[in-house]
Amino acid sequence: DQQVKQNSPSLSVQEGRISILNCDYTNSMFDYFLWYKKYPAEGPTFLISISSIKDKNEDGRFTVFLNKSAKHLSLHIVPSQPGDSAVYFCAASAGGSNYKLTFGKGTLLTVNP
Amino acid sequence: GAGVSQTPSNKVTEKGKYVELRCDPISGHTALYWYRQSLGQGPEFLIYFQGTGAADDSGLPNDRFFAVRPEGSVSTLKIQRTERGDSAVYLCASSFGQNTGELFFGEGSRLTVL
Repeated sequence: DQQVKQNSPSLSVQEGRISILNCDYTNSMFDYFLWYKKYPAEGPTFLISISSIKDKNEDGRFTVFLNKSAKHLSLHIVPSQPGDSAVYFCAASAGGSNYKLTFGKGTLLTVNP
Repeated sequence: GAGVSQTPSNKVTEKGKYVELRCDPISGHTALYWYRQSLGQGPEFLIYFQGTGAADDSGLPNDRFFAVRPEGSVSTLKIQRTERGDSAVYLCASSFGQNTGELFFGEGSRLTVL
């Protein structure tokens, strides 16, 4: 069973607009959440994280929102740029074991010029 | 380069054969991880090393899979009696031992079992 779900396989956005990528989780033990970005033929790269004690974390154009009651998190990219086109993976961990990440299937973001 | 290096980048083998995949972590990183990404899926945890020892091998799917890191740097993932279902991209990652979840991944080794 998928404990981390990214229900949108793909998303297309115009350059300069906001990209919103969504992620749901089922395991209530998850207390740390991360987003990774992956370009073709490269390994995933860490983007941003959030602890369950927070509901928002911001880093430049990237903001992650966490809604614990809904078991939902989202990644906002504003403004979107063509170089943001990649697969975005949501990941989660539990109990301080932040090496043991459970990943979603990913969402392919395409930012059109 | 300064990143995680994995060899081979591609490996094609026949069912039943033995395979070794190598990972050179970033210099100074004490923690090393192996993940596996099957087609259409996200990466899946296999094993975590802190130094030379396997701190958590709970993700290894069965006893055909084994990994070592004898000197606390380079690691080798070994797969015996390969099966078609083992076909995947095997990702290695490393980090400083802070357990932040910020892993530095290599490009992966794509294994195809015919």
